[in-house]
Amino acid sequence: KAGVTQTPRYLIKTRGQQVTLSCSPISGHRSVSWYQQTPGQGLQFLFEYFSETQRNKGNFPGRFSGRQFSNSRSEMNVSTLELGDSALYLCASSAGLAGTDTQYFGPGTRLTVL
Amino acid sequence: AQRVTQPEKLLSVFKGAPVELKCNYSYSGSPELFWYVQYSRQRLQLLLRHISRESIKGFTADLNKGETSFHLKKPFAQEEDSAMYYCALRVSTSYGKLTFGQGTILTVHP
Repeated sequence: KAGVTQTPRYLIKTRGQQVTLSCSPISGHRSVSWYQQTPGQGLQFLFEYFSETQRNKGNFPGRFSGRQFSNSRSEMNVSTLELGDSALYLCASSAGLAGTDTQYFGPGTRLTVL
Repeated sequence: AQRVTQPEKLLSVFKGAPVELKCNYSYSGSPELFWYVQYSRQRLQLLLRHISRESIKGFTADLNKGETSFHLKKPFAQEEDSAMYYCALRVSTSYGKLTFGQGTILTVHP
């Protein structure tokens, strides 16, 4: 099976702009989670989607949003970008049927905000 | 709220020496604990989870509920074990949400 893919792999934006990141889960997986990875804060949970519904959300401002499509692909959007949003954004997919499912991570999208 | 602490940011050992990466957690219930590893230029991947009780690449980890710890151990470190290691916790009511520690960079010297 193909692994989790994320596009684009690299992005450079300026403050105030918005950005959309995409994640394609492993075929058959219905859950997609998003994480922000920074040197200072480490890996922090953003949100999780299962069957097009957000079922968990981390402590991030409303500028961070996401959605999931019927084919389980997911997008996350960050509006009004700030310098502190520069990070590696990871998505992970799992079957999602139970809390014991293994999560598989994508390679990440490196976002740089200038 | 749950929390995961990895007290060592950096850990260096020589090849063939035992290695132990520490992980402590705080959660009042019964969480599920994981170790994830990220090798250079590779994606984050699951190393092991406490419910499976497996030994992967010679690594083991035992969940100690009394000490709320989940330390990762290997009796004889190899150079290819050099990587970033993350301890993570999941609780059943939070579905897929993982709470990660800050990570430990392990360097195994020849």
